[in-house]
Amino acid sequence: EAGVAQSPRYKIIEKRQSVAFWCNPISGHATLYWYQQILGQGPKLLIQFQNNGVVDDSQLPKDRFSAERLKGVDSTLKIQPAKLEDSAVYLCASRLGRNEQFFGPGTRLTVL
Amino acid sequence: AQSVTQLDSQVPVFEEAPVELRCNYSSSVSVYLFWYVQYPNQGLQLLLKYLSGSTLVKGINGFEAEFNKSQTSFHLRKPSVHISDTAEYFCAVSDNGAQKLVFGQGTRLTINP
Repeated sequence: EAGVAQSPRYKIIEKRQSVAFWCNPISGHATLYWYQQILGQGPKLLIQFQNNGVVDDSQLPKDRFSAERLKGVDSTLKIQPAKLEDSAVYLCASRLGRNEQFFGPGTRLTVL
Repeated sequence: AQSVTQLDSQVPVFEEAPVELRCNYSSSVSVYLFWYVQYPNQGLQLLLKYLSGSTLVKGINGFEAEFNKSQTSFHLRKPSVHISDTAEYFCAVSDNGAQKLVFGQGTRLTINP
C-alpha cells in the first residue's frame, strides 16, 4: 500500500514570501494531521482534519498559516508571509479509525 | 494536559551493546504510549505502542518497552544494537488511542563501531 506522500521535499524561501506544501494521505484514511518539527524538537501538531472538517487547529498560527482539505482527501498547508522562525520540517500524517498515525517524509522549509 | 519528557537528548553506545532510552509522561486520564523512530531525512515510523494489556510491549527491529504506571515511565530497550539503529527516537502519549499525539523532544541514538 502506498504511504503518505508529501511535496516538495525541500523548499528555500526568503522571509515575507509565501509557500505551500501538499500532502496526499493513505487512501481511505479519514483523519489527516499537519505537524511542525523544529530542529532538535519533537513534532508539534498544527491542525487535524476529519474528512474535510477541522477537528483541532488550536496551535495553528492563524495570522500566517492556513490549511485546507477541500475534498476530504489531499491537503495543502500555506504560510503567508513566512518568518525566520518558520524554518522547520512540516510533517503530514494520516490515520484510519483508532489505529496508528502514518507519517509522510516531510517537507524541509528553510526561511532566509 | 499531557506531556512527555525524554530524559536524554543524545545516547552514544557501541555496536552490539544494550541500550535504554528513557521516557516519562504525565497524564491525568487513561494513557496510550508510543515510540517512533525517525531516520535521517525521513518521516516517523512506529516502533511499538501500548494501548492496554501486558505492560511489556514488543515492537519491530528487536525493540521492546515496558509501561510502568507507578513511575509514569515507558522506557525503550534493545539488548544488542546495530549500526542501522542510528536514528532519532520519539516517545509520544495520547489519551485516546492514536487520535492526538503529544511528542517528547527526542533522543538521538548514535551507534559507534
